Amino acid sequence: AQKVTQAQTEISVVEKEDVTLDCVYETRDTTYYLFWYKQPPSGELVFLIRRNSFDEQNEISGRYSWNFQKSTSSFNFTITASQVVDSAVYFCALHRPRGAQKLVFGQGTRLTINP
Amino acid sequence: DVKVTQSSRYLVKRTGEKVFLECVQDMDHENMFWYRQDPGLGLRLIYFSYDVKMKEKGDIPEGYSVSREKKERFSLILESASTNQTSMYLCASSETGGESYEQYFGPGTRLTVT
Repeated sequence: AQKVTQAQTEISVVEKEDVTLDCVYETRDTTYYLFWYKQPPSGELVFLIRRNSFDEQNEISGRYSWNFQKSTSSFNFTITASQVVDSAVYFCALHRPRGAQKLVFGQGTRLTINP
Repeated sequence: DVKVTQSSRYLVKRTGEKVFLECVQDMDHENMFWYRQDPGLGLRLIYFSYDVKMKEKGDIPEGYSVSREKKERFSLILESASTNQTSMYLCASSETGGESYEQYFGPGTRLTVT
């Protein structure tokens, strides 16, 4: 069975601190995709990144970076120099292609950036 | 930009009522999804549709049904609302194909059943 675990329910940091959100997944598939979504207070989930299982290169996009490690089944997300606008709930999700187009979501991590 | 809209942001219904939640997307996506979001549980898939009039059950379909008569519209129906269906409901759409495409979400409908 597929499963995504985000063990950190809530994180609170002061602005400009770096923060890492953990994501651990379980799957028996050799081909799969991992996603991160951001849900700001407005409620609409916003797509941040997609990574396939064959690409273990780390990705950086501005202040955001992602560390994908198949050996530990983890896909962690780091925000550098956090800002108040980063406050949101963040979800990690797992998808298996070739089959139903279903995403399995983690429980989400509520990130609060304090000024 | 892809736009997914949901008919209501907030809805209050009584136990036993039939409830319709509507979702419309404007990007000609084949796939559409209904999720519910509850604290500590993340998003759970209720139903999804991969084409007009086609649907498949998700992880928690009990107490729900869906309808997709037109490609752009996907409706979630609570046949007889119960208090344990109080939740945030999110609709999403995506392309289909060999790869996995990101899903685009609507703003959500917060449903309260009293």
